Amino acid sequence: GAGVSQTPSNKVTEKGKYVELRCDPISGHTALYWYRQSLGQGPEFLIYFQGTGAADDSGLPNDRFFAVRPEGSVSTLKIQRTERGDSAVYLCASSLMGSTSSYEQYFGPGTRLTVT
Amino acid sequence: DQQVKQNSPSLSVQEGRISILNCDYTNSMFDYFLWYKKYPAEGPTFLISISSIKDKNEDGRFTVFLNKSAKHLSLHIVPSQPGDSAVYFCAATMLAGANNLFFGTGTRLTVIP
Repeated sequence: GAGVSQTPSNKVTEKGKYVELRCDPISGHTALYWYRQSLGQGPEFLIYFQGTGAADDSGLPNDRFFAVRPEGSVSTLKIQRTERGDSAVYLCASSLMGSTSSYEQYFGPGTRLTVT
Repeated sequence: DQQVKQNSPSLSVQEGRISILNCDYTNSMFDYFLWYKKYPAEGPTFLISISSIKDKNEDGRFTVFLNKSAKHLSLHIVPSQPGDSAVYFCAATMLAGANNLFFGTGTRLTVIP
């Protein structure tokens, strides 16, 4: 079946602008995660949704970052007043909670954000 | 503070030989561990996992070993194939809670034909 998809694949924006990054999880997956991967690093957790609610947003670096998942499926990560330090690959992952394989998260290809 | 560490940024292995990738962690609350493989311009792909109640899990050519007392795990690939060349990430999580993953910095494996 279809995997996790993310759009756009690449986004270049100017410092100070607003951006939205979209994630379509695997159908039926109730858990959705956003991670950020900087060059030479592993992915770092940003926020976790269980259904429609943000169950854990402790990884968001500051209040310029916000994410929503209004219908419990597609999620949008929103970044206001972008800074050059926000440049990274933003990864989305989904998993099926409540099964013996629920701990494996399935990742999308990521959105490469470049802030100039 | 890096709670999951992969101290070898790269590893080269001859085709057909064994590849051993290592990972250390500091948080004793971690109780589930995963390995992901990543090709350029793609997201990480789940490879194999292990619960803290086990010390070994095997899936085909891939075996993960967990040494809880040493807070160390390793991924063995045998025999190694050129298609295994990728960046491998070790990840850990706590099953109670959000299950968000803590990743190491990755090891780039090159399998030489």
